[in-house]
Order: sequence, then structure tokens, then C-alpha cells
Amino acid sequence: DTAVSQTPKYLVTQMGNDKSIKCEQNLGHDTMYWYKQDSKKFLKIMFSYNNKELIINETVPNRFSPKSPDKAHLNLHINSLELGDSAVYFCASSQDLAGGPPDTQYFGPGTRLTVL
Amino acid sequence: QKEVEQNSGPLSVPEGAIASLNCTYSDRGSQSFFWYRQYSGKSPELIMFIYSNGDKEDGRFTAQLNKASQYVSLLIRDSQPSDSATYLCAVYYAGNNRKLIWGLGTSLAVNP
Repeated sequence: DTAVSQTPKYLVTQMGNDKSIKCEQNLGHDTMYWYKQDSKKFLKIMFSYNNKELIINETVPNRFSPKSPDKAHLNLHINSLELGDSAVYFCASSQDLAGGPPDTQYFGPGTRLTVL
Repeated sequence: QKEVEQNSGPLSVPEGAIASLNCTYSDRGSQSFFWYRQYSGKSPELIMFIYSNGDKEDGRFTAQLNKASQYVSLLIRDSQPSDSATYLCAVYYAGNNRKLIWGLGTSLAVNP
């Protein structure tokens, strides 16, 4: 069974288009994340949700909008795609105890987004 | 600006040798430290975490933490070609914006 799954695995699209990436975890975790890994391999957090509530919202263009319909799902919608959005986007989840350090983050396989 | 720094490498070691990967961090308030491994084209996966000063061993892996020097390292004994990957150091910052700050990673190549 796949613990954290993402769809699609590859996404090639034109500038200006709108696209979505879906993420689901079956680990029963309360916290989910979206990361962007650029061509230099730098892993940068974009958003974090805990029990469907947004808890981390880094300096990300408002063209990026996360949505968490339930605690097992965290989707990422991107409007008006730009060349600089090309990267690998990872979804992750963890079971964080309130007030405690984070538990292990389990990553999805990644979505490689290419904007032409 | 909280930062986590790693030597990007590549670090090249012969099979059977000890690989030493280093990481420094800027915020003394950091509480927890993680080492993740990422194979090319794959997602990161946790190797070890360490919270207290000193050494923590798990099989061929040893994490070392020195909070006074703001330094955390990962030693891999008896390195194998299958250990060839990028090793990411991540540091946890508590407070209002609890999150992991990630280093750029060190690329390790173990040569048969």
C-alpha cells in the first residue's frame, strides 16, 4: 500500500495555464505539507496543514492555493503558471504531537512540473 | 534568517570506508535534527533523528550532535555503493511557525 501518493507524477503544460496536483495519505497523520524542490535540489516548504487547518504559509505567490478537504488529502492548485514554477513538488505527511518536535515526515513520490 | 548549511560535495569515498557528512545551523534555539537520504529521482526518506548532544547509533549510521558548536554530523561506516545518494540535513524550529529548515544536501558517491 502506498503511504503518501501524488498525482500526476509528471505534468507538462504551457505558461499561463492552471493546474492541480493531488495528494493523499493513508497513514492517519494529522499534518500534511507541500514542498518545492528546484533544479538546485533545494527543498523549500510551501504550506503545512494540520487537521485541515493552514498552519504554515511561506512566502509563496498567491497563484498557489492549497486545499485540504479532509486530513487525508492536501491538493495544490496553481494559477497562471510561470516558467519559474518548473520544479518537483513533494507532498509529505507526519504525525505531530502538539507542542512537541515533528515526527518523521513521509514523502510522496513527487510531481515533476515542467512549464513551457 | 534561519539557515542550515551543508557542503554540497560531491563527497567520494571508496567502498568500505567511513563517510562523514556535516551540517551546521544558525539558530541556537533549534531542538531536533534529522538526516534524510534522497536517491536521484526519488523522494527523501528519513535515516535518523537526534535530539540530545552526543552520539546516536543505528546500524552503520551514527548521528552526532554538538549544540554548543551548532553542528550535527552523520557517519556512515562500511560505506556501500547503495549508499550513493544526496543526504539532507533538516533542523526543526519550534515557536509560532513550527517547521523544518532543510540544507541543500551533500551528494555522496561510494566507489566500488
